[in-house]
This record gives sequence, structure tokens and C-alpha cells, in this order.
Amino acid sequence: GAVVSQHPSWVICKSGTSVKIECRSLDFQATTMFWYRQFPKQSLMLMATSNEGSKATYEQGVEKDKFLINHASLTLSTLTVTSAHPEDSSFYICSAPGQSKGNTEAFFGQGTRLTVV
Amino acid sequence: DAKTTQPTSMDCAEGRAANLPCNHSTISGNEYVYWYRQIHSQGPQYIIHGLKNNETNEMASLIITEDRKSSTLILPHATLRDTAVYYCIVRGYSGNTPLVFGKGTRLSVIA
Repeated sequence: GAVVSQHPSWVICKSGTSVKIECRSLDFQATTMFWYRQFPKQSLMLMATSNEGSKATYEQGVEKDKFLINHASLTLSTLTVTSAHPEDSSFYICSAPGQSKGNTEAFFGQGTRLTVV
Repeated sequence: DAKTTQPTSMDCAEGRAANLPCNHSTISGNEYVYWYRQIHSQGPQYIIHGLKNNETNEMASLIITEDRKSSTLILPHATLRDTAVYYCIVRGYSGNTPLVFGKGTRLSVIA
């Protein structure tokens, strides 16, 4: 069964509104989680690293004020897309390192398809 | 992490073995080869990983050349549900760093 749960699976929002995406590790604690974005027919691009108890680390070119990340607990990280615009429409995916679960492979959420209209 | 090179796409007949190659000529001694796949509109799924020995699990087999500069993922009896993008990733054993995805190979299993 899934070990990383992401919610919602899809969301449609109006331009200018904010959308929150949740990522939960179900049976292990994750002090670190990763957020990716994937545009159609492209590969996953790392957006940021979410750290429990400290600020997120953003990749170059990713606006930290637009993509707010909060690692509220050892099992929950949230990504909030603020003042969303149509160009933010994408597939957002979170991941937790397997190290916390005694594995070396990473576990991924189901992804969230965001459509901004 | 070392860079990998994969073919853009491949086709495979249902029931036949799918052999997906990956070149990683700059791999360093402590780096592993990981394979993930992504079925359309889903998050990536772990398949298998290895260091230098061949590996097999319930999903696939991983064959790594002796010089470790390339590897092949083998799906022994491909089904339509194996249609996905397959990513070959080289990284150190520590799992606390993010995976860096290349473009992968789009495998189409054909009935």
C-alpha cells in the first residue's frame, strides 16, 4: 500500500486564488520531503526540499514567496501555491526519502494535478 | 550524481521481455543504479536498484555491466500495465537526498 499520501489528487482553481497541497508519510516519520513539478511530456523537476523544523530550501528559479512550504510535523508537509496563475497549472508530486523507513529508495505521493483557470 | 542516457522511447509486444538500456559512463564507485517508472498521471514507483551485482525482484531484473558503465532493466513478461516512462538514476546510497530525474524511456507495450 501507499506509504506517502498526497491530497488532493486534482484541483481546479481560479486565477489569483491559493491552493494547498498536502503530503503525508503514512507509517514513518520524514524529517525531509521533496516537492517536484512536472509539465506535460516533461520530466520531474525538483522545486524544493522541505525540512521539518526549519525553512525549506528552494531550487534556483523557484519563487519561495509563491510556493510556500510548511513542514508542520514529522509526517506532514504542505505546498501552497499562492496567487495561482494559469502558468502554474502542472502536476505536483511530493516524495519522502526511504531512509526514514529503513529503505534506500524514495517514496512518492500520487501527485496533484493543478489546473488554474 | 552521475548523468544517465536512455533511449527516448521503445515498443514491446505484450508477453515478451522488455529490455531497457541505460548508459552511466561517469558513475563513481559508491554510486548505485536505481530504476523508477511513472505511469501516466501517477507518482513515480520504485522498481529496483543495484551496485555491481545483478539483481532480481518480483518486478524486474537489473543487469549491470562489469565496468558499471551501463545497465539494462528487464521486465520478463511485459503487460499492457507496464506502459510507462522508465527512469534510470545513479546516486549514492544515502537516501536523504532528492532524486534527479532525466527524460527517461517511454515504454509502450503493444497487444
